[in-house]
Amino acid sequence: TQLLEQSPQFLSIQEGENLTVYCNSSSVFSSLQWYRQEPGEGPVLLVTVVTGGEVKKLKRLTFQFGDARKDSSLHITAAQPGDTGLYLCAGNDYKLSFGAGTTVTVRA
Amino acid sequence: NAGVTQTPKFQVLKTGQSMTLQCAQDMNHEYMSWYRQDPGMGLRLIHYSVGAGITDQGEVPNGYNVSRSTTEDFPLRLLSAAPSQTSVYFCASSYRLTGNEQFFGPGTRLTVL
Repeated sequence: TQLLEQSPQFLSIQEGENLTVYCNSSSVFSSLQWYRQEPGEGPVLLVTVVTGGEVKKLKRLTFQFGDARKDSSLHITAAQPGDTGLYLCAGNDYKLSFGAGTTVTVRA
Repeated sequence: NAGVTQTPKFQVLKTGQSMTLQCAQDMNHEYMSWYRQDPGMGLRLIHYSVGAGITDQGEVPNGYNVSRSTTEDFPLRLLSAAPSQTSVYFCASSYRLTGNEQFFGPGTRLTVL
């Protein structure tokens, strides 16, 4: 059983559209991280959110940490083909627990 | 800096064979971890180390051994390979066990026949 549930599992959209990926858990985390992984490579950190209700923006990516620190979302505005990849959320308790990931495909 | 390096990139084993996956980092990180990644399962922690000479089990440790004799190296040993160990293995390092950025290696794709 995954400690962190990500949805949807797969997402395919056209270039220029918006998308949102969700990460949910019944557990409270001290912080939550989002990673992106491209085929044949290891995951790379995008952001760490620490405070309940926190919103962080990185260019076209917006990350939100739920008030209760149990869930998070990643929103991409005007997606580009370069955003294609596997997006993983990871929650911190005394170790890092990863969700199964959301595979995002942005078609040109 | 090379970051986190892993060898080999690909490996095919027969059931019952043993092998060691190598991992090294040049960032002077105290914390190193081994994960396996399977379709639909995300990354699952196998073993981790909080410093040279100190290791502990993660979520799925059975069938794997680790040791940490230096800060730089953290090899993962498969004692007697089984088809269930077919997976992609990632090594990671960080300043702290959690809360800090984990730097991942490029992975080793292992197939056990």
